[in-house]
Amino acid sequence: QVQLVQSGAELKKPGSSVKVSCQASGGTLSSFAVSWVRQAPGQGLEWMGEVIPIFGTSNYAQKFQGRVSITADESTRTTYMELSSLRSEDTAMYYCARKEGLGVFDIWGQGTMVTVSS
Amino acid sequence: EIVLTQSPGTLSLSPGERATLSCRASQSISSHYVAWYQQRPGQAPRLLIHGASSRATGIPDRFSGSGSGTDFTLTISRLEPEDFAVYYCQQYGNSFGQGTRLEIK
Repeated sequence: QVQLVQSGAELKKPGSSVKVSCQASGGTLSSFAVSWVRQAPGQGLEWMGEVIPIFGTSNYAQKFQGRVSITADESTRTTYMELSSLRSEDTAMYYCARKEGLGVFDIWGQGTMVTVSS
Repeated sequence: EIVLTQSPGTLSLSPGERATLSCRASQSISSHYVAWYQQRPGQAPRLLIHGASSRATGIPDRFSGSGSGTDFTLTISRLEPEDFAVYYCQQYGNSFGQGTRLEIK
């Protein structure tokens, strides 16, 4: 069974960038997409975008266009989410999730806490 | 963009009781594309239901989903202590509802 293992917590300054990784263990992602979903403290789930590793194609939520980049390295079974121009409102838990079929997220990473503070 | 609205915001029940959670879409969506997730404190979300009514692998049969058009429901027949959590509905691909918190009464 595939598991998604994310990188550790990050503390960043406003205006900087953060890059979070998500590695598949126990198997490959094959043709599945990997999405990134964030959750601000005490808030709900917000889809940011996705990448299809086998094709290297990405798709982003309009809210994050121009500020987020989601990429994949098939050789290491790792996907990356980079968010730039960080502000305090970006403080959140960031999850990667495998998107199965038409769009249900069936496998989730453990989450990476990103804190933006001066 | 389709907006999903969940109700109630918070539901207070006792173990053994039946829970009914609602998810309403701003326009009609195919039931094939509705999912429900459970999120326990400090954990990642977990897929419960896909295709509006199909349980994901390993999900107990006390969880059931139903609905069509704009109205969808997650029912937990007899609440166990571990069921007290936040529940989200989702239209496949991206948009989530704002969540319903199920708390112990």
